[in-house]
Amino acid sequence: EIVLTQSPDFQSVTPKEKVTITCRASQNIGRSLHWYQQKPDQSPKLLIKYASQPFSGVPSRFSGSGSGTDFTLTINSLEAEDAAMYYCHQSSNSWTFGQGTKVEIK
Amino acid sequence: EVHLVESGGGLVQPGGSLRLSCAGSGFTVSTNYMTWVRQAPGRGLEWVSIIYIDGNTYYADSVRGRFIISRDHSQNTVFLQMNSLRPEDTAVYYCARGDYNAYFDYWGQGTLVTVSS
Repeated sequence: EIVLTQSPDFQSVTPKEKVTITCRASQNIGRSLHWYQQKPDQSPKLLIKYASQPFSGVPSRFSGSGSGTDFTLTINSLEAEDAAMYYCHQSSNSWTFGQGTKVEIK
Repeated sequence: EVHLVESGGGLVQPGGSLRLSCAGSGFTVSTNYMTWVRQAPGRGLEWVSIIYIDGNTYYADSVRGRFIISRDHSQNTVFLQMNSLRPEDTAVYYCARGDYNAYFDYWGQGTLVTVSS
């Protein structure tokens, strides 16, 4: 099973600050890495597909990068509405998720 | 507009069975990859099962042999039959549409399954 490890587990950030979340895969997954946002009491929403392609309607402040085993989700100029859990997800071999990163607004 | 609505959750005793449904609208379930993902209380996301366009099905090790995914074209619905339920199966179960059996682009609101005596 491919294990995805996100860091950090928790981040407290002030509005307009830049947020960086990393996701490391236990083996090479190419670019088969996707990012989701889940707000409290809501279902997950797709943000980024295939490491760097934004999903339709996602604000431009969200971007992704990486390939192989190391990936990054960046939120430029954080807004209050971005407070949420963020999960990475791989589809290279079966499907697994990272443990999640909680982003809190200071 | 793509929309998914799950139903069928509830309280069931250990060893019992439950059938979840996920009704799709705005697209055709049988011409898309459809998946179930669960989330235990206060925990992260866990992939459960997927049904391919060609009908092939796949399961997480934790549910293989106990859960069965299926679909009905006439109802535009995907199902998850859950047998021999265990307390560790307690979770919100989400259905989602898969694109190229890779990422999951649209999700339902989830249905809560509680396994307890």
